[in-house]
Amino acid sequence: QKEVEQNSGPLSVPEGAIASLNCTYSDRGSQSFFWYRQYSGKSPELIMFIYSNGDKEDGRFTAQLNKASQYVSLLIRDSQPSDSATYLCAVRRSGGYQKVTFGTGTKLQVIP
Amino acid sequence: NAGVMQNPRHLVRRRGQEARLRCSPMKGHSHVYWYRQLPEEGLKFMVYLQKENIIDESGMPKERFSAEFPKEGPSILRIQQVVRGDSAAYFCASSPYREGPDGYTFGSGTRLTVV
Repeated sequence: QKEVEQNSGPLSVPEGAIASLNCTYSDRGSQSFFWYRQYSGKSPELIMFIYSNGDKEDGRFTAQLNKASQYVSLLIRDSQPSDSATYLCAVRRSGGYQKVTFGTGTKLQVIP
Repeated sequence: NAGVMQNPRHLVRRRGQEARLRCSPMKGHSHVYWYRQLPEEGLKFMVYLQKENIIDESGMPKERFSAEFPKEGPSILRIQQVVRGDSAAYFCASSPYREGPDGYTFGSGTRLTVV
């Protein structure tokens, strides 16, 4: 079982719709959760992080965390063609130094 | 305030040659993390270094790969006798904290192509 699992996609949504990206993780000791956006040929860019159960909103982005279900998601409202990218979910265990573990990413295509 | 600087951006090596990838952390950051991304795959942790110390090299292949972060100068990821399978994008991130920041800021990466 992979530590962090994501559907590779592509996930296609029409412009203006809500894109929902999902991620599950296997380590119950995970404490910190991150979403990165990576455009083709570019480096990953941090867009959201969440530590507590529930929702965290930042502009058009909402991260949702459910530790009991070991599930984290990213919602993108009013999707734009510029949101087309690969979205990487990442987790980190609690306690001192712990490396960040990444999923393989979900490719999102926003259709104009 | 420059971000994490990596060079070269692109590196082409023939099989059997050595590749040296450099990472200059953000100013004031003494912790560096190296990740590798194979085509169509996620980021894989390789090594975590502090100044003059390797803290965690659990993701580094045992042979041909080495990393250092000297007291002065950039962190260096060195790959000896490169093979085709080493072709990948190599990213580094830096942090001022041992426990890591609220997520990493990555450099622009070095794309290694082995021919």
